[in-house]
Amino acid sequence: GAGVSQSPSNKVTEKGKDVELRCDPISGHTALYWYRQRLGQGLEFLIYFQGNSAPDKSGLPSDRFSAERTGESVSTLTIQRTQQEDSAVYLCASSPRGGTGANSPLHFGNGTRLTVT
Amino acid sequence: AQSVAQPEDQVNVAEGNPLTVKCTYSVSGNPYLFWYVQYPNRGLQFLLKYITGDNLVKGSYGFEAEFNKSQTSFHLKKPSALVSDSALYFCAVTSGNTPLVFGKGTRLSVIA
Repeated sequence: GAGVSQSPSNKVTEKGKDVELRCDPISGHTALYWYRQRLGQGLEFLIYFQGNSAPDKSGLPSDRFSAERTGESVSTLTIQRTQQEDSAVYLCASSPRGGTGANSPLHFGNGTRLTVT
Repeated sequence: AQSVAQPEDQVNVAEGNPLTVKCTYSVSGNPYLFWYVQYPNRGLQFLLKYITGDNLVKGSYGFEAEFNKSQTSFHLKKPSALVSDSALYFCAVTSGNTPLVFGKGTRLSVIA
């Protein structure tokens, strides 16, 4: 079956514009994560969805960042009024039921490279 | 709070030699430890994990990692490096009820 799919693969936007990044997880995976990877940095946790539970938003860096997930399928990460420091690769991952990543490895997409000019 | 330290930004090793990529962690409670690998122009892939049991864990592509509770370490090892092992390696930890926390990554270069 297909893996985690992210779109677009690349996005260039002007400072101050809003962007939406999309993630299609693996079918049947109830857990979905967003991470950010800045150049030369590790993966920074942003937000975590698990089934119908309230999402863990503790990693979102500011109120310009938000994410939604429709049921156990597609997720959209929205960044409003983008800033240059938002430039990074945004990675989505999913895992089967029961994951905080503890027992079920995360399956990552190829990421969306966001460049804010 | 959970944290992971990968003290080396870059590791260089000759093909055929053993390799070690270091990782230390901090977590409340029992750790769940992982290694992921990111090959050029590809997404992150799961390599191996430690949950419980034997301290030496074997994973994909001949890699293994040793959990050392007293040193809070989970170093990645391979007896004989291949050029194709050149990639970015990430160590990660969770306490089990929080999302994975990743290290900054170590770039491994295997030289023919």
